[in-house]
Amino acid sequence: LAKTTQPISMDSYEGQEVNITCSHNNIATNDYITWYQQFPSQGPRFIIQGYKTKVTNEVASLFIPADRKSSTLSLPRVSLSDTAVYYCLVADDKLIFGTGTRLQVFP
Amino acid sequence: DAGVIQSPRHEVTEMGQEVTLRCKPISGHNSLFWYRQTMMRGLELLIYFNNNVPIDDSGMPEDRFSAKMPNASFSTLKIQPSEPRDSAVYFCASSYRVEKLFFGSGTQLSVL
Repeated sequence: LAKTTQPISMDSYEGQEVNITCSHNNIATNDYITWYQQFPSQGPRFIIQGYKTKVTNEVASLFIPADRKSSTLSLPRVSLSDTAVYYCLVADDKLIFGTGTRLQVFP
Repeated sequence: DAGVIQSPRHEVTEMGQEVTLRCKPISGHNSLFWYRQTMMRGLELLIYFNNNVPIDDSGMPEDRFSAKMPNASFSTLKIQPSEPRDSAVYFCASSYRVEKLFFGSGTQLSVL
């Protein structure tokens, strides 16, 4: 049973900011939140990870509220190459991928 | 580092044949995972190893599936006998921290 819930799909246009929210109501105290990106015919690729508040790297930002029951992946100014499936995972001793969010970026 | 290396990239076989998928994890990683991906079921965790020891194989669908990790640099996933419903992309991933996985390019398996 997946521990996370996220939208099945999202559409955006080039240059826009995209926010993908993931719900993880049963997150444990020690769990980290990790996001992966998967392109067709490739394995998932680690994007960003956080525990609380905000984390930013060269690819994305991750916002985690104080209760940690959800998280939001923010992709600034998306391009066509950001079209992919994005997975939110809550870490435990075995990593279960949910259905992911299929992001389609249009010109 | 070359990353996680899987072989073969593509495998086409006939029902009933034995199939062996191979994985070389990133050097220094102590955990190894086998996943299967299909359109219908998404990414499914089959089994994972920690320090070469199988920790959880509850995702292995049937006794036809077996996985081994004889040393820190090599793992196999075997299907015997194979069936058409085993057709999928099989991914191997390794990590030094459980939360941060590095995936291989996958093996596209087609069982006719």
